[in-house]
Amino acid sequence: DSGVTQTPKHLITATGQRVTLRCSPRSGDLSVYWYQQSLDQGLQFLIQYYNGEERAKGNILERFSAQQFPDLHSELNLSSLELGDSALYFCASTEGRESPLHFGNGTRLTVT
Amino acid sequence: QKEVEQDPGPLSVPEGAIVSLNCTYSNSAFQYFMWYRQYSRKGPELLMYTYSSGNKEDGRFTAQVDKSSKYISLFIRDSQPSDSATYLCAMSARSSGNTGKLIFGQGTTLQVKP
Repeated sequence: DSGVTQTPKHLITATGQRVTLRCSPRSGDLSVYWYQQSLDQGLQFLIQYYNGEERAKGNILERFSAQQFPDLHSELNLSSLELGDSALYFCASTEGRESPLHFGNGTRLTVT
Repeated sequence: QKEVEQDPGPLSVPEGAIVSLNCTYSNSAFQYFMWYRQYSRKGPELLMYTYSSGNKEDGRFTAQVDKSSKYISLFIRDSQPSDSATYLCAMSARSSGNTGKLIFGQGTTLQVKP
């Protein structure tokens, strides 16, 4: 168990809808990262937060947004969902710059 | 061309075999190198973490980094059926400001047959 908790495990929704994915990082970790994993693109970095502040952005669509709250949990919001957004969404956390990432077990999103 | 290339396999070996998994990369700024193992329906699990060139050993696992060739390897000795999983290489450049912005290979699917 990595200590990173993600909810829900599965999410099925329709095109055009909006969903929120939740992540609780490991105890003490200030940095949270979101990744998307699809069969054709592999694991792609979306966005990073550090202690509530956005630190880095990857190939995140404008329809997607995230935030990190004072208790350090993070939420990834996906709106105007399209079929192509179906993927596994992973959250990861780390204690510092020199430390590796630890991943949660992901949320599997299916858009129908 | 992708920044990190990894043969997706699948790779099938008999139990007890030595497994060699490899990745090549093009960005000479990469300095942090990792190997993750991912079981079906689970998140990537960190196996090995190395900085710069050299070897690192942990039990049955050995990670090698050759920065001059832009090539990293993971060796698994005495492979077990429980090693059957997808293995992902990942790397990061120090210049990115943090090691969290990882670039991943596509992953190699390994099957170890009893």
